[in-house]
Amino acid sequence: EAGVTQSPTHLIKTRGQQVTLRCSPISGHTSVYWYQQALGLGLQFLLWYDEGEERNRGNFPPRFSGRQFPNYSSELNVNALELEDSALYLCASSGDSYTGELFFGEGSRLTVL
Amino acid sequence: GDSVTQMEGPVTLSEEAFLTINCTYTATGYPSLFWYVQYPGEGLQLLLKATKADDKGSNKGFEATYRKETTSFHLEKGSVQVSDSAVYFCALIRTGTASKLTFGTGTRLQVTL
Repeated sequence: EAGVTQSPTHLIKTRGQQVTLRCSPISGHTSVYWYQQALGLGLQFLLWYDEGEERNRGNFPPRFSGRQFPNYSSELNVNALELEDSALYLCASSGDSYTGELFFGEGSRLTVL
Repeated sequence: GDSVTQMEGPVTLSEEAFLTINCTYTATGYPSLFWYVQYPGEGLQLLLKATKADDKGSNKGFEATYRKETTSFHLEKGSVQVSDSAVYFCALIRTGTASKLTFGTGTRLQVTL
């Protein structure tokens, strides 16, 4: 069974640019979560999608947005990139949002110059 | 709001030493508690969990007991191996709600020969 896959694995952008990160959940999982892992800050919750709808949002500015497609894959978009957006962006999927058992991808490492 | 506090790392131990990583939490009600592990270059994976007070989660020689009176969920292992070198994250989710995981900042463990 394929795990959670994310793309791209690494990317470099400059300030002010826009980026789109992609995530494919485990087959049969309908919930997708996005987390930001910046150096020294642990995992900060960004967004949660379930059945195509945004269920919860973390304390991030509106330039962080996303969506979930009918096949449950998801995109994270970040506009007007800032230097502090440099981080590892982790996607996770779950088959049951009540359990807390998430399956993580390996992440997309974004560097903003 | 919900929060998780972990001991700061890095923790450096010799192989076969005893490991304790402290974790305390603040949450409304009675959360479920988790330890996730992130090996170098990989995404997070669930290590163990406990869903109610006095439950003990265990996996791969690691253990953690849910202590409601001290709001703690400390991770222990009797004899660490070099292969246990990783970053360990304590996390919680509110029981009975479809919600997001709240993570601690992570503790890096380095085991040497």
